[in-house]
Amino acid sequence: AQSVSQHNHHVILSEAASLELGCNYSYGGTVNLFWYVQYPGQHLQLLLKYFSGDPLVKGIKGFEAEFIKSKFSFNLRKPSVQWSDTAEYFCAVTTYSGYALNFGKGTSLLVTP
Amino acid sequence: DADVTQTPRNRITKTGKRIMLECSQTKGHDRMYWYRQDPGLGLRLIYYSFDVKDINKGEISDGYSVSRQAQAKFSLSLESAIPNQTALYFCATSDLGRAGVADTQYFGPGTRLTVL
Repeated sequence: AQSVSQHNHHVILSEAASLELGCNYSYGGTVNLFWYVQYPGQHLQLLLKYFSGDPLVKGIKGFEAEFIKSKFSFNLRKPSVQWSDTAEYFCAVTTYSGYALNFGKGTSLLVTP
Repeated sequence: DADVTQTPRNRITKTGKRIMLECSQTKGHDRMYWYRQDPGLGLRLIYYSFDVKDINKGEISDGYSVSRQAQAKFSLSLESAIPNQTALYFCATSDLGRAGVADTQYFGPGTRLTVL
């Protein structure tokens, strides 16, 4: 069965530090990849998505992610985090034969002033 | 996203009670989903619907049922609530997307359900 793994469950960073959150999936075919963010007390919002084309995708609020097909990875990055980036981040994958998103278990990011 | 609304936002109930969570959307999407979120487990799919006449079980459908009353409405019911159904429940919608692939999902604000 397809699965999505997020390696870091809890991350604590100081403001201005760089961020990289790992995401790996276990499906060999064509995939669509997503990163969602959930700010405290809010619903999930789309940060960015990859369907095809340039494997480096840029999203909102300065986030970007790189799709590396050979590594089955879609890691999320931000050069300099802000306190307002404190949130839970979810990687999600869907396939051409799939019907819905498969979510990772999430990474909780705390950015300290 | 105000395009997807959920009611109620919070609910506390007792074991054995029947509960209905409602979801409405104004995005005009055909596809609707119900997920539950538990700490450390991410989001898990309960049911999904591709249109009014097409309803399917997700990975954790036991103890739940759904009704797709219209394109814009998708309700989730707990026929006899139990404490391990305490969770945050999200409704989501999506368009069909390219070549039938699931497209970006848009989430409602969530319903926090507590079963005592």
